[in-house]
Parts: sequence; structure tokens; C-alpha cells
Amino acid sequence: AQSVTQLGSHVSVSEGALVLLRCNYSSSVPPYLFWYVQYPNQGLQLLLKYTTGATLVKGINGFEAEFKKSETSFHLTKPSAHMSDAAEYFCAVSSGNTGNQFYFGTGTSLTVIP
Amino acid sequence: KAGVTQTPRYLIKTRGQQVTLSCSPISGHRSVSWYQQTPGQGLQFLFEYFSETQRNKGNFPGRFSGRQFSNSRSEMNVSTLELGDSALYLCASSLGASGVGEQFFGPGTRLTVL
Repeated sequence: AQSVTQLGSHVSVSEGALVLLRCNYSSSVPPYLFWYVQYPNQGLQLLLKYTTGATLVKGINGFEAEFKKSETSFHLTKPSAHMSDAAEYFCAVSSGNTGNQFYFGTGTSLTVIP
Repeated sequence: KAGVTQTPRYLIKTRGQQVTLSCSPISGHRSVSWYQQTPGQGLQFLFEYFSETQRNKGNFPGRFSGRQFSNSRSEMNVSTLELGDSALYLCASSLGASGVGEQFFGPGTRLTVL
């Protein structure tokens, strides 16, 4: 069985500060891990994904995430927050097997304070 | 290349009615997944279709059903609507089966049940 836990449903940071959004997963098989962002009244957009290989993954808009198997974590970071980063962020896991489904976390709402 | 489109974008129904939502995937994508998004529950997987066959199904009652046509377009139907069915319904398409690679999301259909 697979599941995702996002710690902190709401995170506030000052503009220019470090952004850290936490994601822990549970998976009985090597996981595929994803971070998506959702802006108001829009669908989800992929920020980055980890499938195999390098555990530090770089995505769009300056975001990156590190897969840590020993900690079953896939935290999302950005060195310097921008006002346009304010959105809802979702972590997701799948096993990558044919026909498998995505399991999403409950989301973290990021507020950027000017 | 056009993105995932969903129609209608907004819908208001009353309890007991039924509703059909439509999703057109990105051209060439054969997998379509449906999700229900609510503030308290996050994104919950409804079902996934691949080449007109339902491959996966989430933990939803039988009132929720779907189908996929030969052109990969998909419809979702909810019968005997309940107040708790009010949500944003998201459709996502991908090249292969769900779980392998990125899912591309549509803007969603916001359903309000009165």
C-alpha cells in the first residue's frame, strides 16, 4: 500500500526566505515521487519528479527536491521565495507499475509575505 | 499542442439528480484518470481508463462511474447526487498507463450540489 503525508497544511514564509515543504511517503516498492503545484481555479502542474537515478531533482521555477530513502522523504525546497510562489502544493507517489494509480497528499498551502 | 480540457467548468445540481462530466485528453494520450478534490480530503482517486478499459478504481460508491471512448475522451457520471459530492473534479491524462511518467491535469469541473 502507498500513501503520502504532507506535514503542515499551511506554511508562511517571507519573500526571499527559504521555502521548505515536507513530504513523507509510504511504499512497499521503489516509488515514483512527484510534486505538483495548483494555482487558484486551475488544475495541477508538475513541478518535478523522481523516478530513478540522481536523488536530488531540480524542477521548474527554481524548486528542487531530494529523495531520501532512509527517511522515506521527498521534501520540496526553494532557496528564495517569490510572491508568485503562493499556491497549493501536492506531493504524490506511485509505484510506477503499469496500471498503478497516483496517491496524493492533502496539500500544503504556501503563503508568501511581502 | 492543446492541453487537457474539461467541460463544463462549473455545474450546479440538486440532490438526487445525476451529472455527466467530460474530459478530452491531450492528443496521443491514452490514459485518463479522474480525481475528486475537496478541502478536507485533498485529491482522491476515482478511476483510471486506458484504451477504453477501466484499469483502476478508487474507493468510491457505485454511484460514480465512467467510461472512455475510442478517441480517448472520457466521461464521468455521478447518479443520485448527494450534498457531499460537491467538489472539484479533475481529469488527468498521460501517455501510458497511470503511474508511469507525468500526468497532465485539466482545469477541473466545479460541481455544487444544493
